[in-house]
Amino acid sequence: AQSVAQPEDQVNVAEGNPLTVKCTYSVSGNPYLFWYVQYPNRGLQFLLKYITGDNLVKGSYGFEAEFNKSQTSFHLKKPSALVSDSALYFCAVREKTGTASKLTFGTGTRLQVTL
Amino acid sequence: ETGVTQTPRHLVMGMTNKKSLKCEQHLGHNAMYWYKQSAKKPLELMFVYNFKEQTENNSVPSRFSPECPNSSHLFLHLHTLQPEDSALYLCASSPAEVGTVDTQYFGPGTRLTVL
Repeated sequence: AQSVAQPEDQVNVAEGNPLTVKCTYSVSGNPYLFWYVQYPNRGLQFLLKYITGDNLVKGSYGFEAEFNKSQTSFHLKKPSALVSDSALYFCAVREKTGTASKLTFGTGTRLQVTL
Repeated sequence: ETGVTQTPRHLVMGMTNKKSLKCEQHLGHNAMYWYKQSAKKPLELMFVYNFKEQTENNSVPSRFSPECPNSSHLFLHLHTLQPEDSALYLCASSPAEVGTVDTQYFGPGTRLTVL
């Protein structure tokens, strides 16, 4: 079975500093990996995905993620954090179910950005 | 907004009530999904519909009954629920096109409280 792990329940960072939210994966075959963000009382918003090719994936709101096959990791990064980035972040791995996809999510990491 | 709407946004019901959650997507997608999000637990996939056909039922109790009359609408019919069913119910949709790596887009969710 495919899975992702987010080892940190919460990450605290000061505004203007770089941030990293960690994710490791376990899959058979090629991994298709996703990051989503959830703001309070909202659904999940898609940030970015890794399919193949360049190990650095750029996404929405200035976020990027680095795929590392040897470390089976897909960490989310941003060079300069904003207070408005404070939210719950989910890593997910895709398992194909016909043409539709089945996503397995991590437990989420709460990012707190302070002034 | 993502183009996926859910109604109602909040619902309080007794254990003997019957209610329905509605999801509508305006993205022209072919697949729709129901997820359950409980505190302290990963998102749980409940059902997947692809071209109106159910392709996944993740061992969901029969007190949850999905209905997908067309590719744009998805319902979750609820009856004789338990307090532990209180959660945020999220709907998602995806293109589900051959040859692509699917991305799911989520609605804002329905916050369900079972008394």
